[in-house]
Amino acid sequence: DGGITQSPKYLFRKEGQNVTLSCEQNLNHDAMYWYRQDPGQGLRLIYYSQIVNDFQKGDIAEGYSVSREKKESFPLTVTSAQKNPTAFYLCASSITGLKTQYFGPGTRLLVL
Amino acid sequence: GNSVTQMEGPVTLSEEAFLTINCTYTATGYPSLFWYVQYPGEGLQLLLKATKADDKGSNKGFEATYRKETTSFHLEKGSVQVSDSAVYFCALRPDAGGTSYGKLTFGQGTILTVHP
Repeated sequence: DGGITQSPKYLFRKEGQNVTLSCEQNLNHDAMYWYRQDPGQGLRLIYYSQIVNDFQKGDIAEGYSVSREKKESFPLTVTSAQKNPTAFYLCASSITGLKTQYFGPGTRLLVL
Repeated sequence: GNSVTQMEGPVTLSEEAFLTINCTYTATGYPSLFWYVQYPGEGLQLLLKATKADDKGSNKGFEATYRKETTSFHLEKGSVQVSDSAVYFCALRPDAGGTSYGKLTFGQGTILTVHP
């Protein structure tokens, strides 16, 4: 089945620790995105990538980093510089940047 | 800049009631408009979309019409079911060109609860 997978479903971070969220897609989509969702708010764009080995900052990139070494993978690292990381993180992909985005199931990040 | 405003929630209805969730937007040109639905603990699912003025998107009994003159994309359903209980997000994607290439702007979401 084609789709977007995110792992883990729940992730716990200790103070000062970097953690990496996985996002994989087998839809052969060029573009991939990371969003953050906080309670009662819409989604906010963290980073996006239109093609392998290229990515751009979104609206709230501070404290996050990404890589795009393979077309099907777009991992997000939440660094210790992100002071309020508790949120629901959603990965999305689209054929190109001008096509409909499809979302994965999300990863909930909690701080211990 | 681009923005999307949804009606305040939460919305609580009885089964078989009529649903309207208002969505208005601010954007230049002719953006594409979307409704996504999020069930508890899950990611977003595309519900319907419209890419040009006067287009009507429809899916699973839900409808929304792209109204350029009122910059609106209101979501409607004639008879809701308990299984429609979820959070509904309106979103826009700018048209081609500019620095906002491919970026979705979301409303804050509207929680819908349907009682039997």
